[in-house]
Amino acid sequence: NAGVTQTPKFQVLKTGQSMTLQCAQDMNHEYMSWYRQDPGMGLRLIHYSVGAGITDQGEVPNGYNVSRSTTEDFPLRLLSAAPSQTSVYFCASSPTSPKTQYFGPGTRLLVL
Amino acid sequence: AQSVTQLDSQVPVFEEAPVELRCNYSSSVSVYLFWYVQYPNQGLQLLLKYLSGSTLVESINGFEAEFNKSQTSFHLRKPSVHISDTAEYFCAVSDPGNQFYFGTGTSLTVIP
Repeated sequence: NAGVTQTPKFQVLKTGQSMTLQCAQDMNHEYMSWYRQDPGMGLRLIHYSVGAGITDQGEVPNGYNVSRSTTEDFPLRLLSAAPSQTSVYFCASSPTSPKTQYFGPGTRLLVL
Repeated sequence: AQSVTQLDSQVPVFEEAPVELRCNYSSSVSVYLFWYVQYPNQGLQLLLKYLSGSTLVESINGFEAEFNKSQTSFHLRKPSVHISDTAEYFCAVSDPGNQFYFGTGTSLTVIP
């Protein structure tokens, strides 16, 4: 199993541009989530999904959209990038509720 | 919503000395508790977890944590640290609402 994969590893955007961060898992996990990690703030939950077709907002959802059309994929869309969205983004998955989450390697995003 | 407090942002310790990383959480309802470790430029890895049962949980590399319900704490300890333990450590709480809350992290630096 590849586990949780994320693409791209690095991305530089200009303010106002849009992009999609990809996340995929091959463990047939129902629960998937997106976090952002910022210095001194730990990880903050952006959006999560408890199964295909079901998504919900986390602590910091503004400026981000998600969809869950399949069990395997959970893309995160930045609608109009802002410098405040410069961060490291982690995707995670879990077999049943968030009892044990498996994290991807992260995407480092810089918004100029 | 939960809150997770990691009281020490940085902990330097000499090699082979004991260490304790502190974690307190806010909720009085049933929660699941976790410690994750993050090595430089990597994603988070599960170190240990408390779901139910024995309040003392152990990891395979010598760390242990004790769930203390009355003090709402889940401190992480190791009796003798190694250079390879240098990393960022995150305490996390999962509540029945399917959300996951992380502390701000403790940077453990082991000094030779």
